[in-house]
Amino acid sequence: GAGVSQSPSNKVTEKGKDVELRCDPISGHTALYWYRQSLGQGLEFLIYFQGNSAPDKSGLPSDRFSAERTGGSVSTLTIQRTQQEDSAVYLCASSLRGRYEQYFGPGTRLTVT
Amino acid sequence: QKEVEQNSGPLSVPEGAIASLNCTYSDRGSQSFFWYRQYSGKSPELIMFIYSNGDKEDGRFTAQLNKASQYVSLLIRDSQPSDSATYLCAPEGLTGGGNKLTFGTGTQLKVEL
Repeated sequence: GAGVSQSPSNKVTEKGKDVELRCDPISGHTALYWYRQSLGQGLEFLIYFQGNSAPDKSGLPSDRFSAERTGGSVSTLTIQRTQQEDSAVYLCASSLRGRYEQYFGPGTRLTVT
Repeated sequence: QKEVEQNSGPLSVPEGAIASLNCTYSDRGSQSFFWYRQYSGKSPELIMFIYSNGDKEDGRFTAQLNKASQYVSLLIRDSQPSDSATYLCAPEGLTGGGNKLTFGTGTQLKVEL
């Protein structure tokens, strides 16, 4: 079946602009996660959605970052007033309810100039 | 103390040798442990999981778990150049808003001809 999809695959934006990154999880997966990975670094957890529960936003680095998940499926990560330090690969993952293993999408490479 | 600790490497092994990748974790409540492989420029891919103390074998891969020592390892037998990647250890644990995986920063493995 189809895996996790993310769009766009690459995004170049100017400092100060807002960007939206999209994630479409595997069909039937109730949990959705966003991570950030800077060049040569590990995965940085950003936010976690599980079904209709309130999201775990404990990893969001500032109030410029927000995410929503509509209809329990597609999620959008929004970064307002982008800064150069926001340049990274943004990865989305999903998992089945009651399962911990996460399946990752291909990521969106964000470059802020 | 970091929640998940891995030697960043690089770990260099000759082709055909056994590669041993180690991970320690701090949450004594963790019950499930996952290993991901991440090729350069790609997203993480699940390769193994283990729940019980002892060894679990899958092809050339063996995961080993010792909950008393809070230690999990991944052995790769007959290492191939295609195994060259970063390997991420991810125990499940209660963090933030619920049980989910916490990823280590990974060990870079280089298999040399």
